[in-house]
Amino acid sequence: ELKVEQNPLFLSMQEGKNYTIYCNYSTTSDRLYWYRQDPGKSLESLFVLLSNGAVKQEGRLMASLDTKARLSTLHITAAVHDLSATYFCAVDMNPRTGTASKLTFGTGTRLQVTL
Amino acid sequence: EAQVTQNPRYLITVTGKKLTVTCSQNMNHEYMSWYRQDPGLGLRQIYYSMNVEVTDKGDVPEGYKVSRKEKRNFPLILESPSPNQTSLYFCASSTHRTPNQPQHFGDGTRLSIL
Repeated sequence: ELKVEQNPLFLSMQEGKNYTIYCNYSTTSDRLYWYRQDPGKSLESLFVLLSNGAVKQEGRLMASLDTKARLSTLHITAAVHDLSATYFCAVDMNPRTGTASKLTFGTGTRLQVTL
Repeated sequence: EAQVTQNPRYLITVTGKKLTVTCSQNMNHEYMSWYRQDPGLGLRQIYYSMNVEVTDKGDVPEGYKVSRKEKRNFPLILESPSPNQTSLYFCASSTHRTPNQPQHFGDGTRLSIL
């Protein structure tokens, strides 16, 4: 059974600081997704990581994937209040298919950026 | 506007009373999926469908049914709801036409079973 673990589960950080969220998974996969969820809202796709060494950046967020270590990171640079949300990683258990099929999500990291 | 639409958004009902949560997408996506979100557990996949008339179990399928008679619709059926199915439910869709696309999520359905 695939297990996906995120840490920390909760992160309170000051504006302007840097931090990293970690996503570890227990079985081989080369397809990993990061999503953002604002309170009471749906999930919004942030990044799709498809191979070992993949790195994607959007604004103050940068995601990377190390398939050998079964680890993905989401790095936050110079945090701002608008980044406050819950962040989920999700791993696809069936990478041979052409699209995401059996996604297993991490429990989420609730990020709170304080002024 | 491209979207995944779920109905109802909120529902309070009683144990044993059959209910259906509808999900419709207007993006001609082949793949659709249902998840439930519970505090401390993240999202767990209930069922998914790779295309019309093709469905498969996710991690927590017990107590749920689905059907995929049309490409745009993927209803979630609770034949005899129980309190442990109280949760926030999300429907999602994606396409095979462009590989490795992320899933688009609906706004969620908050279900309370008394």
